[in-house]
Amino acid sequence: DAGVTQSPTHLIKTRGQHVTLRCSPISGHKSVSWYQQVLGQGPQFIFQYYEKEERGRGNFPDRFSARQFPNYSSELNVNALLLGDSALYLCASSRLLADRYQPQHFGDGTRLSIL
Amino acid sequence: AQRVTQPEKLLSVFKGAPVELKCNYSYSGSPELFWYVQYSRQRLQLLLRHISRESIKGFTADLNKGETSFHLKKPFAQEEDSAMYYCALFMNRDDKIIFGKGTRLHILP
Repeated sequence: DAGVTQSPTHLIKTRGQHVTLRCSPISGHKSVSWYQQVLGQGPQFIFQYYEKEERGRGNFPDRFSARQFPNYSSELNVNALLLGDSALYLCASSRLLADRYQPQHFGDGTRLSIL
Repeated sequence: AQRVTQPEKLLSVFKGAPVELKCNYSYSGSPELFWYVQYSRQRLQLLLRHISRESIKGFTADLNKGETSFHLKKPFAQEEDSAMYYCALFMNRDDKIIFGKGTRLHILP
């Protein structure tokens, strides 16, 4: 089992651009959640999806959006990038809806740098 | 406002000594608390949750609603315990989870 996989591993963008980050959950896991981790801080919850429906949203602006596909993989989209969006973006998967806020399986993350 | 506070950014403890990583929370609803750990060059992973009342790798944590705390404890530190530890709060009423800023535990030989 490859675990949760995220792509790309690193990404450099400039202000105003948009970005799409991808996540493949562990096989059999139907719940995917996204987190932003700024250097020196803990992860901050962005979105949670279960069975292709949004089940939770953190305090992030509308520039952040996400979706989950029929194969349970997920994309996080960020528009009009700001310098403050520079961070490590983590994806986590869980098998059950009840476990959605106890994610046990995290990916390695995508390191996004905004110039 | 809801928050999770981990007052120590870095905690250095000698091998064999007791460990206590502090976590305090602020939430008016019914909380669910967790500890996550990230070892060097590894992924973030769930260590334990208060509802399970379990001991993982010798660590335990008790939810104290009166003191709004969920401190992580281990009686005898081991070198492999060196890692970054995050306390997290699931807010049932708001359907959100928030993490503390983390404490880096360094076990001295």
